[in-house]
Amino acid sequence: QKEVEQDPGPLSVPEGAIVSLNCTYSNSAFQYFMWYRQYSRKGPELLMYTYSSGNKEDGRFTAQVDKSSKYISLFIRDSQPSDSATYLCAHSGGSYIPTFGRGTSLIVHP
Amino acid sequence: DTGVSQDPRHKITKRGQNVTFRCDPISEHNRLYWYRQTLGQGPEFLTYFQNEAQLEKSRLLSDRFSAERPKGSFSTLEIQRTEQGDSAMYLCASTQDSFYGYTFGSGTRLTVV
Repeated sequence: QKEVEQDPGPLSVPEGAIVSLNCTYSNSAFQYFMWYRQYSRKGPELLMYTYSSGNKEDGRFTAQVDKSSKYISLFIRDSQPSDSATYLCAHSGGSYIPTFGRGTSLIVHP
Repeated sequence: DTGVSQDPRHKITKRGQNVTFRCDPISEHNRLYWYRQTLGQGPEFLTYFQNEAQLEKSRLLSDRFSAERPKGSFSTLEIQRTEQGDSAMYLCASTQDSFYGYTFGSGTRLTVV
């Protein structure tokens, strides 16, 4: 079992839709959870970062961590074509070395 | 300083040749990381430096791989006797003791033919 499991997609949605991206993880000792966005031929960029459980909101993006079920979610409201990218979830302990999922490809069509 | 810079962007090499990649981190960042990413997968950790000290290496980093960060500034990753399985995107990232500001470069895409 991989440490972070993520459905590769692709997930195709119409513009304006609410997108839900999800991951499960296995290492319950890790306390830091991240979502990265990666455009084609670019490095990942940090979107959201949370510590322990709970929700965090930043504009159209909401990250949610449920430690009891080892589930990480990212919600994107009012999705835009520019949101089309691969979304990587990750978790980490205190060494700032994220363990990444394989990424979910999101396509937002006009 | 506009971010993490990696050079070259693309490298095509013949099997058995040595290659070296360079990473210039954000200047005030003390931690520097190397990752490898293959198609359809997330980045996999290779090694990291805190200042000039190499503090951790993944099992993925075989004896053919070596990394340096002289003087705690830029870093180089060398692969000796390249194999076709080394074909991947090699990513560098840097941070100053935080996930905030954890910045990746655009990577070096290596193709071994």
